[in-house]
Amino acid sequence: DAGVTQSPTHLIKTRGQHVTLRCSPISGHKSVSWYQQVLGQGPQFIFQYYEKEERGRGNFPDRFSARQFPNYSSELNVNALLLGDSALYLCASSWWPRRGPGQPQHFGDGTRLSIL
Amino acid sequence: EDKVVQSPLSLVVHEGDTVTLNCSYEVTNFRSLLWYKQEKKAPTFLFMLTSSGIEKKSGRLSSILDKKELSSILNITATQTGDSAIYLCAVEAGRFGAGNMLTFGGGTRLMVKP
Repeated sequence: DAGVTQSPTHLIKTRGQHVTLRCSPISGHKSVSWYQQVLGQGPQFIFQYYEKEERGRGNFPDRFSARQFPNYSSELNVNALLLGDSALYLCASSWWPRRGPGQPQHFGDGTRLSIL
Repeated sequence: EDKVVQSPLSLVVHEGDTVTLNCSYEVTNFRSLLWYKQEKKAPTFLFMLTSSGIEKKSGRLSSILDKKELSSILNITATQTGDSAIYLCAVEAGRFGAGNMLTFGGGTRLMVKP
């Protein structure tokens, strides 16, 4: 079975531009979460979506937004890019809230975003 | 604010050694603690520990949750070079219906030398 897939794998942008990252969850998973991982740190939660509704938002500025589509895939958008947005952006999916508690999140390989 | 701290930051061992990685947490409404292994890209799920399952084992890896001490350890016995990676600890907290966002620690970088 295919795991979580993300595109693109790498992206180079300049300050002030905007970017759209894409994620397809594992088949059957309806919950998608986004995380930002800066080099040398653990991932930091950005958003969670379930059934196209936002279920959680981390401590990120309004330049960050996301949405989920009817097929449960998701997009993360970042506007007015800053140098500090350079990071690995990870997408994760899970069975939550279906199948009860105790459902781990499974991660994709991420999109490496570099801001020049 | 939920907080997860891992120690040590990094560790260098030789093949065959046994290592213990530590994770401590301060969260509201703890639900579960997860361990992931991250080599180059995607964190790979290892274990999930909850109040109903405080000890897990898979091959040379094992993990224990201490709810009294608000901590967990990940043990790796007979280490191999393929165990070299960053090991991430994450905690899921809050009301079940409020989502299952994870709060991660900073990770422990393990290097296993031949």
